Amino acid sequence: DIQMTQSPSSLSASVGDSVTITCQASQDISNHLNWYQQKPGQAPKLLIFDTSILETGVPSRFSGSGSGTDFTFTISSLQPEDIATYYCQQYDNLPYSFGQGTKLEIK
Amino acid sequence: QVQLVQSESEVKKPGASVKVSCKASGYTLTSYDINWVRQATGQGLEWMGWMSPNSGDTGYAQKFQGRVTITRNTSINTAYMELSSLRTEDTAVYFCAGAGFSSTYGMDVWGQGTTVTVSS
Repeated sequence: DIQMTQSPSSLSASVGDSVTITCQASQDISNHLNWYQQKPGQAPKLLIFDTSILETGVPSRFSGSGSGTDFTFTISSLQPEDIATYYCQQYDNLPYSFGQGTKLEIK
Repeated sequence: QVQLVQSESEVKKPGASVKVSCKASGYTLTSYDINWVRQATGQGLEWMGWMSPNSGDTGYAQKFQGRVTITRNTSINTAYMELSSLRTEDTAVYFCAGAGFSSTYGMDVWGQGTTVTVSS
């Protein structure tokens, strides 16, 4: 099974800051990586698929990059509404798997 | 519009089984894969299993093998996840999620979640 290691587990930043989350797969997953945003009491929301493609309607301040085993998720200018927990997820091989999550807070 | 509507919350005793439904509306269930994901309070997302409603093919996380069964009834556009031999640690919110609507294989349509509480 593929293990997804996400870091950091929590992050505190100021409005306007650039924020980066990393996700490492235990084996090569090509570009088969998605990123989700989850706010308290809500279902997750798909933000980015295939490592770097933004879902329709997702602001351009969100971006993703990487390939193989190492991936990065970036918010270029943090906004108050971005406070949430973010998860990476691989779909290269069954069983699909999520990273442990990164809880993002405003400083 | 496209949505997945899940069944109501359940309270079960240890050792019992629970069957959660996920009804597709605005599209035909067989058009897109369904995944099941759970989340215990304050914890992360845990992938449980997958089904192709078109073929009936399924795949499960090793952790749940032998305890989880994903099925569907195409005549009523509904998928199901049944978890047996429940333990207190199965207390969680269970989500169904459709994949590939507007992405290659992102879970882009989610149900509202079903809370399952396991308690004696």
